[in-house]
Amino acid sequence: NAGVMQNPRHLVRRRGQEARLRCSPMKGHSHVYWYRQLPEEGLKFMVYLQKENIIDESGMPKERFSAEFPKEGPSILRIQQVVRGDSAAYFCASSPSVAGLRTEAFFGQGTRLTVV
Amino acid sequence: DQQVKQNSPSLSVQEGRISILNCDYTNSMFDYFLWYKKYPAEGPTFLISISSIKDKNEDGRFTVFLNKSAKHLSLHIVPSQPGDSAVYFCAASVGAGAGSYQLTFGKGTKLSVIP
Repeated sequence: NAGVMQNPRHLVRRRGQEARLRCSPMKGHSHVYWYRQLPEEGLKFMVYLQKENIIDESGMPKERFSAEFPKEGPSILRIQQVVRGDSAAYFCASSPSVAGLRTEAFFGQGTRLTVV
Repeated sequence: DQQVKQNSPSLSVQEGRISILNCDYTNSMFDYFLWYKKYPAEGPTFLISISSIKDKNEDGRFTVFLNKSAKHLSLHIVPSQPGDSAVYFCAASVGAGAGSYQLTFGKGTKLSVIP
């Protein structure tokens, strides 16, 4: 029973490049959440998606960031024209239902993005 | 504006003793609280939770206490073991359904259990 899989684990991008972070939820989970952890900070909510739908993206920066969760394949968090301030650990979580996040929040190992 | 605060960045405890990790919150709308444990280079792992209708929840060596009037919760680990050494995050959410997926995290407390 594989857990939430995120790849890559580490990603280095130069300023101005694009970063694509992938998240495959646990089997049977159709709800995906992305969180970002800046250095020395707690995790902060970015976006909540269900299959083919963005439910809440209130935590996403208005520009350069986008997320999708297609019918087939992993959820993708895309950051265009990265800047040094985007350097952080990005965590994905999944749950079988929206209420399930409270008690069954399974997080992936995260992608550590470094912008140089 | 930090709504969930963990004021102790680190804590060291002798093996076998009690570890007490504290968390304060400011948003009176929070009604569900969770503790997560995180090892380096791994994602957070759910540990224990408590609803605002309770003041205590226990699971094995882990007990969470909630004091709503003081907007304070604490995690007790007894007895502490070296494998408990990790960063512990306190998190909170508002309501059921819509919004409940938005967990608000504290900055974490690094627990070191000394053998």
